[in-house]
Amino acid sequence: EIVLTQSPATLSLSPGERATLSCRASQSVSSYLAWYQQRPGQAPRLLIYDASNRATGIPARFSGSGSGTDFTLTISSLEPEDFAVYYCQQRRNWPPLTFGGGTKVEIK
Amino acid sequence: EVQLVESGGGLVQPGGSLRLSCAASGFTVSGNYMTWVRQAPGKGLEWVSLIYTDGTTKYADSVKGRFTLSRDTSTNTLFLQMNSLRPEDTAIYYCARGYCSGAYCYPVWFDPWGQGTLVTVSS
Repeated sequence: EIVLTQSPATLSLSPGERATLSCRASQSVSSYLAWYQQRPGQAPRLLIYDASNRATGIPARFSGSGSGTDFTLTISSLEPEDFAVYYCQQRRNWPPLTFGGGTKVEIK
Repeated sequence: EVQLVESGGGLVQPGGSLRLSCAASGFTVSGNYMTWVRQAPGKGLEWVSLIYTDGTTKYADSVKGRFTLSRDTSTNTLFLQMNSLRPEDTAIYYCARGYCSGAYCYPVWFDPWGQGTLVTVSS
């Protein structure tokens, strides 16, 4: 099973600041990684797939990069609605499909 | 509009059974990869099960042999039959569809998701 480790667990930032979230895989997942956003009380939604492709309707301030074992989700300038929990997910080797433990982006 | 609506959650005793439903609109369940993902209270996401377009199913080891994923084309509904429930199965259960961008669908990236249904296993 591929384990995804996200860091930091919590990121405290102010609106307008840049957020950098990390996801590290226990073995190479090539570019088969996605990022999801989950706002409080809501279902997750897909932000980024195949490491760097924005899903339909996702603002350009969200970007993904990386390959192999190290991946980054960057939010260039935080909007109030971006304060949420973010999860990465891999599909390189499955089952099982695995998710990271999440990074909470909170208002400083 | 593409929409997923889960139902069937509730309180059940350990060892009991529940059947979750996920009613789809705006697309056909049988023509897409569909999945269930759960989230224990205050915890992260855990993949549970997935069904291919050809009807093949896959399960997480934690539920294999206890949960069964199926679909009904006449009602365009996905089901998760959960037997021998344990306290550690307590979670919000979400159904989701394989993500489609234009005419191409990516089977194991998931979007959209339903709003979830809460399953509580407790005596």
